[in-house]
Amino acid sequence: KAGVTQTPRYLIKTRGQQVTLSCSPISGHRSVSWYQQTPGQGLQFLFEYFSETQRNKGNFPGRFSGRQFSNSRSEMNVSTLELGDSALYLCASSRQGLNTGELFFGEGSRLTVL
Amino acid sequence: TQLLEQSPQFLSIQEGENLTVYCNSSSVFSSLQWYRQEPGEGPVLLVTVVTGGEVKKLKRLTFQFGDARKDSSLHITAAQPGDTGLYLCAGAYTNAGKSTFGDGTTLTVKP
Repeated sequence: KAGVTQTPRYLIKTRGQQVTLSCSPISGHRSVSWYQQTPGQGLQFLFEYFSETQRNKGNFPGRFSGRQFSNSRSEMNVSTLELGDSALYLCASSRQGLNTGELFFGEGSRLTVL
Repeated sequence: TQLLEQSPQFLSIQEGENLTVYCNSSSVFSSLQWYRQEPGEGPVLLVTVVTGGEVKKLKRLTFQFGDARKDSSLHITAAQPGDTGLYLCAGAYTNAGKSTFGDGTTLTVKP
């Protein structure tokens, strides 16, 4: 069974640009959530999607957005990049319906903003 | 507001030693998970605890959930270099679709 796949793994952008990250969840998983991981802040929740609807959103500015497609694949977008957006962006899928809170993470997309 | 606090933040030990990592919460969660993350990788789920007082074992790792479901511990017996990594605890609420993570414990096991 394939795991969570994130693309791209690494990318470098400059301030002011925008970036789109992609996530393919484990087959059968309908919930996809996104987290930002930085050395200073740890893992911070961005948002969660279930059946193409955003169900939860963290405390991030509107420059951070996402969406989910009918096949459960998800994308997140960051516009007008800032230096502080440099981080590892992690996508996780889960089998919502079992309510266990268990997350299955991809390897992440490492974003560097110059 | 940091809902989950992990201690210690860093731990460096010799192979064969035992260690305990703690995760304390100001809230009661429906379930609590422990993950291990290696450099350049995403966190990998180790265990889920749900019931107060629950103890789960995974080879040399023992996980315990406090009676009040607000704290948890991870004990590693006879640590090995392969145990090196970042250990994260996370709390989840039923149907919330969101987990709250502690800041993690970075464990280094020296051969």
